[in-house]
Amino acid sequence: GEDVEQSLFLSVREGDSSVINCTYTDSSSTYLYWYKQEPGAGLQLLTYIFSNMDMKQDQRLTVLLNKKDKHLSLRIADTQTGDSAIYFCAETENQAGTALIFGKGTTLSVSS
Amino acid sequence: NAGVMQNPRHLVRRRGQEARLRCSPMKGHSHVYWYRQLPEEGLKFMVYLQKENIIDESGMPKERFSAEFPKEGPSILRIQQVVRGDSAAYFCASSPGRGGTEAFFGQGTRLTVV
Repeated sequence: GEDVEQSLFLSVREGDSSVINCTYTDSSSTYLYWYKQEPGAGLQLLTYIFSNMDMKQDQRLTVLLNKKDKHLSLRIADTQTGDSAIYFCAETENQAGTALIFGKGTTLSVSS
Repeated sequence: NAGVMQNPRHLVRRRGQEARLRCSPMKGHSHVYWYRQLPEEGLKFMVYLQKENIIDESGMPKERFSAEFPKEGPSILRIQQVVRGDSAAYFCASSPGRGGTEAFFGQGTRLTVV
C-alpha cells in the first residue's frame, strides 16, 4: 500500500538552512505537498509541487523532487525560531487528489 | 473570510457515549474532508463529502463512525459508543473544488475518551 516516510526530528541553529526529507511509494501521485503544523493548530499548506516538476522555489522555501527515487525534500533557508513546528509531507492517494496520505511528520526545532 | 471552523476544539467523552464533531467549511467551499491524527502519527484520511453526498468513505471505520454534510449547516462527524482508541485529533479540510491543492484545514477537534 501507499506509505510516506519522514525522519522524526531535526534540530538546527537560527540562520542555518534546514532540509527535511521524505520518501513516498505511490508513483502515480500527481501532487506532493508540504504542510506545517504549529502546536495546537491545524495544518497550514506551505507549498506543493506537481509531479512533472523537479524543483519549486517560493521565497525561503525550496522543494526538490526526485521521481526516480521517490524522494521529496523541503529546504528552508535562513531558518528562524518561528519556523519551529511539525512539517508533514503528503502525497495524493488518487488521481483526483481528494485523499492525501501523510507522513508522521518531522519536528523541526530551531535554537537561537 | 473566516477559515475552516471546527468545534468544539476539545471534547471529552466517557466510553460508550456519542461524540459529534462539527466542521464549517470556508465560504464558497462545497467539498469537505475529514482526517484523524492519532498520537505521534500522521493524518489518516477518513471521508470526503460534497453537499448532501458522501463521495469517498474508504478511510472510515466500518462501524460506529458516520459523516454527513447537509444542504444547510456544518458537516458532522459522528462517533457512536466511543472507545479509548477513538481518542485523537480530528481535522476537517475544505476546498472549492476537488483536489488537495486548494484545501484548507481547520484547527482540529481533540477528542479524549475517558
